[in-house]
Amino acid sequence: QQQVKQSPQSLIVQKGGISIINCAYENTAFDYFPWYQQFPGKGPALLIAIRPDVSEKKEGRFTISFNKSAKQFSLHIMDSQPGDSATYFCAASGNQFYFGTGTSLTVIP
Amino acid sequence: KAGVTQTPRYLIKTRGQQVTLSCSPISGHRSVSWYQQTPGQGLQFLFEYFSETQRNKGNFPGRFSGRQFSNSRSEMNVSTLELGDSALYLCASSLEDSAADTQYFGPGTRLTVL
Repeated sequence: QQQVKQSPQSLIVQKGGISIINCAYENTAFDYFPWYQQFPGKGPALLIAIRPDVSEKKEGRFTISFNKSAKQFSLHIMDSQPGDSATYFCAASGNQFYFGTGTSLTVIP
Repeated sequence: KAGVTQTPRYLIKTRGQQVTLSCSPISGHRSVSWYQQTPGQGLQFLFEYFSETQRNKGNFPGRFSGRQFSNSRSEMNVSTLELGDSALYLCASSLEDSAADTQYFGPGTRLTVL
């Protein structure tokens, strides 16, 4: 059973556009929700994370929106750049991490 | 500080063999977690070690095992390899608690089972 569901599987965005990736979770005991960015040949790297006591967190061009009642959270990448082209994973943790299946983002120049 | 290192980076084995993968965490990190990454399943948690003890375990068969040494370095072993074990195996280290502290991932070991 997938504890964290992520969509879309792939995303193509024009340079300067907004990329939006969505995740949903089931377990209300989860208390930490990070997003990871992975480039080919590299391990995932933490991008931004949020805890359920806030509804939004912004770091530069990256924003997490969190909806506790809907058990959903999303990553917004503003002013998307070709260098943002990578695979993005959402995750949720209680006593261990559960990852989404990933979104392959391509930003077209 | 040096990042998480994993050796070897690539491995080719045949069905029925066993394999040992190694992970050296960031200096000072005491928690090491292992993940299996496949295109269809994403990252799946294998186990976490802290102070040489397995603290948490995912839903994988007993063929997958691991251990941690006193210097926090960790190894994972897969016995009786199956074709479906072909994957990228990632190690992640964190200061104390993988569920609360930031996890830092290594580049992974790409295992191919023929």
